[in-house]
Formats: sequence, C-alpha cells, structure tokens
Amino acid sequence: NAGVTQTPKFQVLKTGQSMTLQCAQDMNHNSMYWYRQDPGMGLRLIYYSASEGTTDKGEVPNGYNVSRLNKREFSLRLESAAPSQTSVYFCAIPRGNPGTNEQFFGPGTRLTVL
Amino acid sequence: AQSVTQLDSHVSVSEGTPVLLRCNYSSSYSPSLFWYVQHPNKGLQLLLKYTSAATLVKGINGFEAEFKKSETSFHLTKPSAHMSDAAEYFCVVSDTSGTYKYIFGTGTRLKVLA
Repeated sequence: NAGVTQTPKFQVLKTGQSMTLQCAQDMNHNSMYWYRQDPGMGLRLIYYSASEGTTDKGEVPNGYNVSRLNKREFSLRLESAAPSQTSVYFCAIPRGNPGTNEQFFGPGTRLTVL
Repeated sequence: AQSVTQLDSHVSVSEGTPVLLRCNYSSSYSPSLFWYVQHPNKGLQLLLKYTSAATLVKGINGFEAEFKKSETSFHLTKPSAHMSDAAEYFCVVSDTSGTYKYIFGTGTRLKVLA
C-alpha cells in the first residue's frame, strides 16, 4: 500500500449523515480510482479521475460525489448515507500507464451505515 | 466492453495438492489481465499480470497463469497449496483502449484443508 493513504480507516454513520473519504497519493500519478467492495461482488468502480480536474462515473456512482482538486488528492463524498452504502472503500492508482499496468490500492476504509 | 467471470465462488483443496482458480474474460481489445490476492481483513496484493508478452505468466508465491486467447481464459494455478494460500482471489481485466477502467471478477475464496 505504499504511496496511497486513506482516511479514516473506520467510520460508523447514521442514515442521512454525510461524510467525506479522503485518498492521497505521493506517486505523482494522473489517474485515481474509488472502488467499493461487498461480499460476493468483488470490487466495483464508483468513480475515477483520469487527471487533475476531471472525473468520470464508474459502475456504481449513485449516492456518491467526488472531487479531484489537485493531482495528489481524490475525495469521495456521501451526501446522505444509506445502509446500502455499508461497504469497504478502496482508493487505487495505476502503477504506470492505466490499463496496461496493475493498480496500487490504499488500505481501505470500512464504513458502516446504521 | 470488458467483462470477467470467475467460475467458482469457493474452492477447497488439501494442503500439498494443486490449485486451479478459473477466470474467463471478454474484451473488445487486447486485454491486460491481472490476479490479485486478498487475505482476511487485508488489502489487495498483485499476484501476477499479463500484458501481451509471454502467455505463461509466473507470479509470486509459486502461482502462475496462462493466457489462452482462443478460450478467453486466464486461469490461476499453483502446483502445491500451502495453508497460507487461504484467501480470496480476484481476476481483473483492464481496458487498454484508453478508458482507464479495470473490471474485477466477483472473487474466488480458496480454502486449504490440513
């Protein structure tokens, strides 16, 4: 997980509360990704950012917003949390050219929505 | 569009016997393919990757995978299972056409019996 940090590591929210998950990288890479992991479903892409200032929807973007204000940071926001958003969230960056190279993953944020 | 199917959600083997985890993919372009491992409550670690070089790819911890274009498969094998191999394994296909997306399989949980 070197080079990709996520905060917080754990979070418990009540339905309707909001929060922002933070991801930061020190590898100076253009692309950054947010995934959620649920049992039996693998990792599903929520949003990705190909470069600073650009973001695109992935497979499951509903209920989330993202912000890529600078090259280093990519945040994921839940405006009104729902129990269906209980999951483990991973941030990732590709090792080199996206697509051709593997991704580095952050340590994850375990989120529970009550 | 890319997709990936892991054919078994659970696989059990005895320690010392071979491991076979199956993965089929679909891709409109020449794909890059990856296998990751995730031990319980841990992050994702790259086992190996295929990026259009040798079709037989060797990875860490004695794992290898063979890219078979005619069968659209990328199965993961290991000659002799160890107790420490018990984990969840994910097959991933990436889009090399420029959309930057990585598609994860739903995972195979490997159980190693003593």
